[in-house]
Amino acid sequence: GAGVSQSPSNKVTEKGKDVELRCDPISGHTALYWYRQSLGQGLEFLIYFQGNSAPDKSGLPSDRFSAERTGGSVSTLTIQRTQQEDSAVYLCASSQNGARETQYFGPGTRLLVL
Amino acid sequence: GESVGLHLPTLSVQEGDNSIINCAYSNSASDYFIWYKQESGKGPQFIIDIRSNMDKRQGQRVTVLLNKTVKHLSLQIAATQPGDSAVYFCAEGLGYSTLTFGKGTMLLVSP
Repeated sequence: GAGVSQSPSNKVTEKGKDVELRCDPISGHTALYWYRQSLGQGLEFLIYFQGNSAPDKSGLPSDRFSAERTGGSVSTLTIQRTQQEDSAVYLCASSQNGARETQYFGPGTRLLVL
Repeated sequence: GESVGLHLPTLSVQEGDNSIINCAYSNSASDYFIWYKQESGKGPQFIIDIRSNMDKRQGQRVTVLLNKTVKHLSLQIAATQPGDSAVYFCAEGLGYSTLTFGKGTMLLVSP
């Protein structure tokens, strides 16, 4: 089947605007993760969904960031009132059962805040 | 290695050489380690993993070595090819917590 997909692949927005980033995980994967990757940097964990459990939001950098996962499948990461420092690649990954399983990554959404 | 500003540590090798990419992890209690490869413009791709009860694991052309005494992980790539050029990340995990990723090392393979 298809891998993890993300949309849009690129997003340019103006400072102060809200953006929504979408992730479609691999079918049947119960765990979904969002990461942020700044230029030349490693992956910064943002949020983790596992089944019907409450999400682990410990990595969200501010209350402008939020994420939802509807029906245990598709997830949306929302950034409100975007700032220039939010510019990065936002990566989504899914795994079959949980955090110890191999994570399969999508291609990312490249966000540029002007 | 350590990254300075926006500059990733870089390893340059000739095609056919063996490559060794190193990673120092932070948590001595971590019990699960993964190497990922990230090509330009793509998401990270799983290469190989190792549990803390092992010190070596081999895959196709790749070997991961784990030294828990000094909290060191290495990825060895045999007969490196131009297609191996990418950024390589190590990640560590503990129990059922999420993974913590390193900053990455860029591998450049010259034909």
